[in-house]
Amino acid sequence: GNSVTQMEGPVTLSEEAFLTINCTYTATGYPSLFWYVQYPGEGLQLLLKATKADDKGSNKGFEATYRKETTSFHLEKGSVQVSDSAVYFCALGRSSGSARQLTFGSGTQLTVLP
Amino acid sequence: DAGVIQSPRHEVTEMGQEVTLRCKPISGHNSLFWYRQTMMRGLELLIYFNNNVPIDDSGMPEDRFSAKMPNASFSTLKIQPSEPRDSAVYFCASSSPGGQVTEAFFGQGTRLTVV
Repeated sequence: GNSVTQMEGPVTLSEEAFLTINCTYTATGYPSLFWYVQYPGEGLQLLLKATKADDKGSNKGFEATYRKETTSFHLEKGSVQVSDSAVYFCALGRSSGSARQLTFGSGTQLTVLP
Repeated sequence: DAGVIQSPRHEVTEMGQEVTLRCKPISGHNSLFWYRQTMMRGLELLIYFNNNVPIDDSGMPEDRFSAKMPNASFSTLKIQPSEPRDSAVYFCASSSPGGQVTEAFFGQGTRLTVV
């Protein structure tokens, strides 16, 4: 079946530090890959996505590249801000006929200190 | 667009009571998901509807849980009877039609506390 494994948290960084959150997946075929972000007390919001191998998704300074050879979709940001403190979820999406699956990783809590 | 709307935002109920959570998906979206989030188990898919029809309910924990989607603009998740271990944040999400999985838009969730 499909599964997503992401780096366990919590992760604590100083402002302007470099961020990497690792994500690897297991799936048959060619899934779409997503990063979602959840701010305190809110629902999940799509941060970025990639739908095929070698695609790079980017948004708000965050980037992730769909690497089929390593089945990975690591999230990176060059300089984090306090406002980036949130929980980040890696997710995999597949469709088969009318059935759709969206499988989430366990989430990684990021805290950025001023 | 108002996004996915869930109600209530918070619910506190006594063990044994019936609880009904409500969701209005984004207009035009034909896929609807119910998720449960807890510290112990993270984000779990409970059930998924496509065009108002339940496609995958394998994540529904037991018979106490039921979900309906009577029309394209409304869905409910019911727990009867509720138990303390059902305490969690329940999210509804919807996505638009498409050949591939498109992004899912989440509501703000219902925080359920069963005492």
